[in-house]
Amino acid sequence: EPEVTQTPSHQVTQMGQEVILRCVPISNHLYFYWYRQILGQKVEFLVSFYNNEISEKSEIFDDQFSVERPDGSNFTLKIRSTKLEDSAMYFCASSHLGQGARTGELFFGEGSRLTVL
Amino acid sequence: QKEVEQDPGPLSVPEGAIVSLNCTYSNSAFQYFMWYRQYSRKGPELLMYTYSSGNKEDGRFTAQVDKSSKYISLFIRDSQPSDSATYLCAMSVFGNEKLTFGTGTRLTIIP
Repeated sequence: EPEVTQTPSHQVTQMGQEVILRCVPISNHLYFYWYRQILGQKVEFLVSFYNNEISEKSEIFDDQFSVERPDGSNFTLKIRSTKLEDSAMYFCASSHLGQGARTGELFFGEGSRLTVL
Repeated sequence: QKEVEQDPGPLSVPEGAIVSLNCTYSNSAFQYFMWYRQYSRKGPELLMYTYSSGNKEDGRFTAQVDKSSKYISLFIRDSQPSDSATYLCAMSVFGNEKLTFGTGTRLTIIP
């Protein structure tokens, strides 16, 4: 069964460092997303991406964050100058037809846990 | 008031019991309502989605939406130990890509 894969599963970094989280969405999916979940809190939307550009972003997704689809298979989230409060589980998701927000048909990866010290 | 409220639990019930999970919301623009299941150390997995008010049934699962009360429910019949997980409600506004999640309810089914 196709799945969304994320690397690394866990990354520890020092405050102020840059981090890149990587995702390989399901191959025929066209819409890609990043969500995050701070420990004990709800899953929060960060950004959606379609046709090589951001289609929607939340107020959390400020200049510290960027996304990129550097090739035909990877989708990355870059966090510049990490802060303590960036510590969270980051989930990548993909959707075939972009109806994810209407049908809930988002396929989530297992997450990348980021710990900022 | 939070956009989506969900009792975090934890909730423990004996195997075979009927489980009721609920969320309330404040944003009347929400039109699409989903329930996700999340096992430990895994990403959320879609269980059911509904549009507008009413009931939807899928096997042992029934989703209910009452837009007039801004209240949604998930019922699990004949609960199994494998149903032990965190259940997340999520909802969205027409035309938006963003899903707004509840905090999740941690459910344990006791054999």
